[in-house]
Amino acid sequence: KAGVTQTPRYLIKTRGQQVTLSCSPISGHRSVSWYQQTPGQGLQFLFEYFSETQRNKGNFPGRFSGRQFSNSRSEMNVSTLELGDSALYLCASSPDRVGDNSPLHFGNGTRLTVT
Amino acid sequence: SQQGEEDPQALSIQEGENATMNCSYKTSINNLQWYRQNSGRGLVHLILIRSNEREKHSGRLRVTLDTSKKSSSLLITASRAADTASYFCATDAGNKLTFGGGTRVLVKP
Repeated sequence: KAGVTQTPRYLIKTRGQQVTLSCSPISGHRSVSWYQQTPGQGLQFLFEYFSETQRNKGNFPGRFSGRQFSNSRSEMNVSTLELGDSALYLCASSPDRVGDNSPLHFGNGTRLTVT
Repeated sequence: SQQGEEDPQALSIQEGENATMNCSYKTSINNLQWYRQNSGRGLVHLILIRSNEREKHSGRLRVTLDTSKKSSSLLITASRAADTASYFCATDAGNKLTFGGGTRVLVKP
């Protein structure tokens, strides 16, 4: 089975712009979670989608949004980028909802740099 | 906020030695998971231990869980240079997985 695929791998944007990141989960997985990883804050939960519904959202401003399509692929969008949004954005999929004792399978992330 | 906190933050050992890292957490959990991350890449799941389990093994990995103390430990036996990575514990409280700050492990050949 192919693993979790995130595109693009690297991205450079300017403050004020917006960005869309894409995640294709492992075939058959219905849950997709997004995390932001920075040296200062570590791994911070953004949101989880299951069967096209957002189940849970982390403590991030409304500039961070996401969605999940019927084929379980997910996108996250960040509008009005700030310097502090520079991070590694990780997507993870699992067959079941988080909380159903299923481990997460991570992609290699999108490295976003905001200048 | 981080539910799990790993200790130590960094660890340097010789190849062949054992590496032990600990994780403490604050609230009740369904399970606790350990992940490995090589520099700049995604996390790889290592082992999941449920709240009603006390110990679990997978190859050279041994995980213990003490729910009364809200703590877990990960032991890597007979370490190899390829074990050099950051290790994270993650707690599943039912609606999301919350990661600790990680332990950076360096295995010197």
